[in-house]
Amino acid sequence: KAGVTQTPRYLIKTRGQQVTLSCSPISGHRSVSWYQQTPGQGLQFLFEYFSETQRNKGNFPGRFSGRQFSNSRSEMNVSTLELGDSALYLCASSLEWGPTQYFGPGTRLTVL
Amino acid sequence: KQEVTQIPAALSVPEGENLVLNCSFTDSAIYNLQWFRQDPGKGLTSLLLIQSSQREQTSGRLNASLDKSSGRSTLYIAASQPGDSATYLCAGVPQGGSEKLVFGKGTKLTVNP
Repeated sequence: KAGVTQTPRYLIKTRGQQVTLSCSPISGHRSVSWYQQTPGQGLQFLFEYFSETQRNKGNFPGRFSGRQFSNSRSEMNVSTLELGDSALYLCASSLEWGPTQYFGPGTRLTVL
Repeated sequence: KQEVTQIPAALSVPEGENLVLNCSFTDSAIYNLQWFRQDPGKGLTSLLLIQSSQREQTSGRLNASLDKSSGRSTLYIAASQPGDSATYLCAGVPQGGSEKLVFGKGTKLTVNP
């Protein structure tokens, strides 16, 4: 089976812009979670989607949003980018009730 | 709020040495615990998962244990190799919480040939 794929792998934006990142889960996985990784804060949970519904949400401002499509692919959007949004954004997928999460390679976002 | 601490933050050992990485939780109410490996600039690779009814898991040279009463987990790596060099992260699923996984900041391991 193909692993979790994320596009694009690298992105450079300027402050105030918005960005959309995409994640395709492993075939058959219906849960998709998003995480932000920064040197200072480490890995932090953003949100989880299951069957096109947000099931869990971390402590991030409303500028961070996501959605999931009927084929389980997910996108996350960050509006009004700030310098502090520069990070590696990781997506993970899992089976409906499976505890093991499988991570993609991430999207490296740089905000200038 | 659940917080995870990993000690040490960095570790350098000679090849062949056995080593232990530590992980502790502020709240022992952990549903399950997962250890990951991250290579520079890459995503995470799941190494071991300890589910709520288990106390340890083994895979090859790796052994992970979980003591819920003390809120601690350890990852034991036997006969370390240079290819083991990476950052190791532990993460727990809090019971009753809204977060999917709560991560520690990791231990950066360097195994010298």
